[in-house]
Amino acid sequence: KNEVEQSPQNLTAQEGEFITINCSYSVGISALHWLQQHPGGGIVSLFMLSSGKKKHGRLIATINIQEKHSSLHITASHPRDSAVYICAPTDKLIFGTGTRLQVFP
Amino acid sequence: DGGITQSPKYLFRKEGQNVTLSCEQNLNHDAMYWYRQDPGQGLRLIYYSQIVNDFQKGDIAEGYSVSREKKESFPLTVTSAQKNPTAFYLCASSTQAGIFGELFFGEGSRLTVL
Repeated sequence: KNEVEQSPQNLTAQEGEFITINCSYSVGISALHWLQQHPGGGIVSLFMLSSGKKKHGRLIATINIQEKHSSLHITASHPRDSAVYICAPTDKLIFGTGTRLQVFP
Repeated sequence: DGGITQSPKYLFRKEGQNVTLSCEQNLNHDAMYWYRQDPGQGLRLIYYSQIVNDFQKGDIAEGYSVSREKKESFPLTVTSAQKNPTAFYLCASSTQAGIFGELFFGEGSRLTVL
């Protein structure tokens, strides 16, 4: 079993839809990254959080350390949100395989 | 602007040749990392360095070597001992050694061995 599981693996949405991506992990951690990988391969860090919720624009990330679960939400999705979203517990330097999101106009 | 620069972006090499990928950062970060990504798979850690002149093996270090002679530079050499070197390689850095530091990534280097 992978230490980090993301769901869904692939996600298709219409522009404007509310998106949720889930991340579950089996290891005890202190904090978790959410990353976005663009089609060209470059990766940017969206959030690093250790508790509660963080919001940046249309993106919201939540985490429950005790339940070993985190979610990334995108409100009012847009085609430019199309990317692979990756969760990564910080302590273990391991990464989920990512969720590929495609948003159509 | 501060950031991480990887070069080259694309690299083709013949089987059996050593290849060195460059990673330079001007963020004044102590920690630097090399990851490998294969199609449909997550990032896997090759090597990481928490401080100059020190580095540790990650999960898939066999066939790779690194050096950290300067804070801003962390080159990765893909040696001929690496059995399947064709992959996408990403370099990253963080303010603290991987635990609570925000991660910054380069644009990646795509290596194809012919």
